[in-house]
Formats: sequence, C-alpha cells, structure tokens
Amino acid sequence: DAGVTQSPTHLIKTRGQQVTLRCSPISGHKSVSWYQQVLGQGPQFIFQYYEKEERGRGNFPDRFSARQFPNYSSELNVNALLLGDSALYLCASSLGGGGAPRTDTQYFGPGTRLTVL
Amino acid sequence: DQQVKQNSPSLSVQEGRISILNCDYTNSMFDYFLWYKKYPAEGPTFLISISSIKDKNEDGRFTVFLNKSAKHLSLHIVPSQPGDSAVYFCAASAGTSGTYKYIFGTGTRLKVLA
Repeated sequence: DAGVTQSPTHLIKTRGQQVTLRCSPISGHKSVSWYQQVLGQGPQFIFQYYEKEERGRGNFPDRFSARQFPNYSSELNVNALLLGDSALYLCASSLGGGGAPRTDTQYFGPGTRLTVL
Repeated sequence: DQQVKQNSPSLSVQEGRISILNCDYTNSMFDYFLWYKKYPAEGPTFLISISSIKDKNEDGRFTVFLNKSAKHLSLHIVPSQPGDSAVYFCAASAGTSGTYKYIFGTGTRLKVLA
C-alpha cells in the first residue's frame, strides 16, 4: 500500500515569494496534518484538517494557510517567504477520529525540504 | 514552553544490549503518547504508541513504559541492532483538545555500535 506522498521533494525560493506544498494521504485516511521541522528540533504543528474542515492551527503567522480537498489530499501555502521559513515540511495522515482506543495515529510522508534564499 | 522534553541529545549502545530512551512531559491533559524513528532525509516512522489508560505496551523488540505520576515515558529496544541507529522522537497528544495535534520532543540520536 502506498504511504503518504508529498511533492515536491525539494524546493528553492527567494524571500518574498510564495510556495505551495502538496500531500496525498494514505488511502482511507481522512485527516491530514502539517508540521514544520527545523534542524535540531522536533516537528512543530502547523495545521490539521479532517473531512475538509480545519480542526486545529498551531502558532504560525497568517502567511501560512492550508486546505483539504474532497479526495482528502491537502495543500500548504506559505506567502511572503522569509529566510526563517527554511525547513522540512512534513505531512501526516491518520484515520482521523480520536475515540477510545485512539485512531488518530499519524503516519508521516518523506517531507518537502524548502530552502529560502 | 517545552511541554515534551527529551533531555538526552544522544545515546550510544553496543549491539545486542538494551537501549533506553527517555521522555518527560508537563501537560497532564496528554492522553496518547507515541515514539517515532527518523533517518536523515526521511519523514518520521511510527514505532509504537501507548494510551494513558495503560502503563506498558510491547511490539516485538520495542516496549514503551508510561509513568503518569512522574509524567515520564521510556522506550526500550531489546536487543539493539545497528539498523536502529537513528533519531528517536517522542510525541504526546491531548485528545480532549479536539485537535489531536502532536507535540514532539527535540529527539535523541541513538547510535548502536557493532
């Protein structure tokens, strides 16, 4: 079975530009989460979507936005890029629900490495 | 405010011995805990999870222990293998928040020596 896929693998942009990152979840998964990982740190939560609705937003500026499509794939958009946005952007998918037992174990894609010059 | 802490940046263990990775948390609302392994240039790979209603969960060579009173969890790998060399992240989630976002620690780099 295919895992979480992300595109592109690598991306180089300049300050002020805009970028769109894409994610396809594992088949049957209805929730997608986005994380940013900078060198030496753990992943930081950006957004979570479930059934096309935003379910949560992390402490990131409004330059970051996302959406989920009817086929549960997702896009992360970052406007007005800053040097500090250089990071590995990770997408994770899960079945979605919490419940007991929890069914929201998140499975990560390989990430998109964004470099802002 | 670092809600999930991995205080050991690195750990070296001989092949065949036990590896113990530790994680501390501060938020008593966390009710689901996970361990991920990460190789360079790859995304984190899910290893094992534990619900707050349990204190131990095993999956093959991997066992996770949860001590809620101490707000501490640990991952035991027995026996350790060279292929286990990677960065290990613990993560925690508060299901009551309705978001199910994961809060990650900063990671521990494990090196298993042949």
